Amino acid sequence: GQNIDQPTEMTATEGAIVQINCTYQTSGFNGLFWYQQHAGEAPTFLSYNVLDGLEEKGRFSSFLSRSKGYSYLLLKELQMKDSASYLCAVPGYSSASKIIFGSGTRLSIRP
Amino acid sequence: EAQVTQNPRYLITVTGKKLTVTCSQNMNHEYMSWYRQDPGLGLRQIYYSMNVEVTDKGDVPEGYKVSRKEKRNFPLILESPSPNQTSLYFCASSFKGMIGETQYFGPGTRLLVL
Repeated sequence: GQNIDQPTEMTATEGAIVQINCTYQTSGFNGLFWYQQHAGEAPTFLSYNVLDGLEEKGRFSSFLSRSKGYSYLLLKELQMKDSASYLCAVPGYSSASKIIFGSGTRLSIRP
Repeated sequence: EAQVTQNPRYLITVTGKKLTVTCSQNMNHEYMSWYRQDPGLGLRQIYYSMNVEVTDKGDVPEGYKVSRKEKRNFPLILESPSPNQTSLYFCASSFKGMIGETQYFGPGTRLLVL
């Protein structure tokens, strides 16, 4: 089966850096997604990692270690608008078209 | 503007009264999917469709039906809604449903079943 774990809530300060972790167990691995979801809104794509290492996109970076079943999302220079839930997701083992989402990490930014 | 639309955005209904939530995309995407989102449980996939007339169950299909008669539309049907189907529903689409493709989500439909 598949399982994804991420912290339920985190708090950080404006201007700081925060790391949101995600661990997963899968029968096969087809990459890992990160999505951002503001309260009451639709999820929006942030990143997709399939190879080990860090990928940087502006203030956001995503890291993957396939051997450890571990990923993190790194947010730098935090802004108030970064207050949102961050969802870790992996394609299903039996079909890449099935996506399994973690329950999400709700990030609150304080001034 | 490329987008996924859902209607209605909010719906209050009663147990047993059939309802349909529509989903439409204008990006010529082959893959479409329905999710429900509940507190503490995250997004769970209900059904998905790889193309016209091709649908398959996700993780929580019980109590739902879908159809894919046209490429752009993927309605979600609740034949006899029950209170445990109270949830926030999202439709999503992607180009072909291949590994690594970004999914584009609709704005969500908040359903309350009394």
